[in-house]
Amino acid sequence: GAVVSQHPSWVICKSGTSVKIECRSLDFQATTMFWYRQFPKQSLMLMATSNEGSKATYEQGVEKDKFLINHASLTLSTLTVTSAHPEDSSFYICSAKNGYTFGSGTRLTVV
Amino acid sequence: DQQVKQNSPSLSVQEGRISILNCDYTNSMFDYFLWYKKYPAEGPTFLISISSIKDKNEDGRFTVFLNKSAKHLSLHIVPSQPGDSAVYFCAASALGNQFYFGTGTSLTVIP
Repeated sequence: GAVVSQHPSWVICKSGTSVKIECRSLDFQATTMFWYRQFPKQSLMLMATSNEGSKATYEQGVEKDKFLINHASLTLSTLTVTSAHPEDSSFYICSAKNGYTFGSGTRLTVV
Repeated sequence: DQQVKQNSPSLSVQEGRISILNCDYTNSMFDYFLWYKKYPAEGPTFLISISSIKDKNEDGRFTVFLNKSAKHLSLHIVPSQPGDSAVYFCAASALGNQFYFGTGTSLTVIP
């Protein structure tokens, strides 16, 4: 079945640095990828929708300059958390548009 | 605004018995629903889906029921097994757009 590979699975970074998270579709072409964020004991909240070859669509309240999304190819979408701060610490997950296939998630801790 | 709600944060069931997880939604435009299983620090794993044209879908030990008039769906697991212990999320989408997730129910199956 369809597989989305997400890396890294766990990252700790210093406040003020940037972190890039990658999601690759391994056996299908993902023209659209969803990026979610999950805080402890809360549901997954959609941050943005990345579209191959065009600008991402951000949900209300999500800073596009802070959460940079690039979807340069049909198999790779990246989310870069720029100038990370402790409040950005969260669990980030990508998903193919079909809704069935999720990446394994990235636990980001900003210290 | 939480469009998909799971009002029970946790549920404990004896092994071999039935587990019933509930989910309510508010948006009458939702036409596709999914259930996911999630372990800590991992991405959700798709379990079972149902479209709004059906009121029941069964896959092995998992059955999803949809009551459109009540805007309610439930996941039945029978018989429950210790390996079923995880957090279960329901999600809903409208017209192929983004999925909205509930906050999850933590299921513990007691051996």
